[in-house]
Amino acid sequence: NAGVTQTPKFQVLKTGQSMTLQCAQDMNHEYMSWYRQDPGMGLRLIHYSVGAGITDQGEVPNGYNVSRSTTEDFPLRLLSAAPSQTSVYFCASSSETLDRTNYGYTFGSGTRLTVV
Amino acid sequence: AQSVAQPEDQVNVAEGNPLTVKCTYSVSGNPYLFWYVQYPNRGLQFLLKYITGDNLVKGSYGFEAEFNKSQTSFHLKKPSALVSDSALYFCAVRVAAGNKLTFGGGTRVLVKP
Repeated sequence: NAGVTQTPKFQVLKTGQSMTLQCAQDMNHEYMSWYRQDPGMGLRLIHYSVGAGITDQGEVPNGYNVSRSTTEDFPLRLLSAAPSQTSVYFCASSSETLDRTNYGYTFGSGTRLTVV
Repeated sequence: AQSVAQPEDQVNVAEGNPLTVKCTYSVSGNPYLFWYVQYPNRGLQFLLKYITGDNLVKGSYGFEAEFNKSQTSFHLKKPSALVSDSALYFCAVRVAAGNKLTFGGGTRVLVKP
């Protein structure tokens, strides 16, 4: 099992550019989510999905779009990048029934995004 | 709304001494509680979780945590810290009937030889 795979690992964008951060999981998890990590602020939830075709906003959704066309994939789109979106982005997935898993949420290795 | 507080930005401890990282939470409903660890330039690794049952939960690498419902706390502990335990630790909570996982701001642990 590959777990949760995020691409790319690093990206530099110019202000106003758009891009998509990819996230894929091979564990058949229903729940997937995107977080951003900023120094001193922990991880903040951007968007999440409880299954294919279902998405919802987290704490900091502005400037980001998501879709969930398959169980495996949950891409995060930056529509018009801003320097405030410079951050490390993590994708996470989990099974709906946590007491049947040993590891709670499984995280990808992250994408470090810099917007100049 | 659910929230998590980690009151200490950094905890310093000498190798071999006990380590405690504090966490308090606020949710409406039964909480599922988690601890994760992050090493430099790495993703988050699961340490342990409380879902139900025994209030003392044992996890990876000798860590344990105690769920205290009356104090709404879930402090992480290790009896004897190692230099290799130096990392960033995150507490997280979700409601049993919900999906969103909310993280605390993180506590950096520095274990000195």
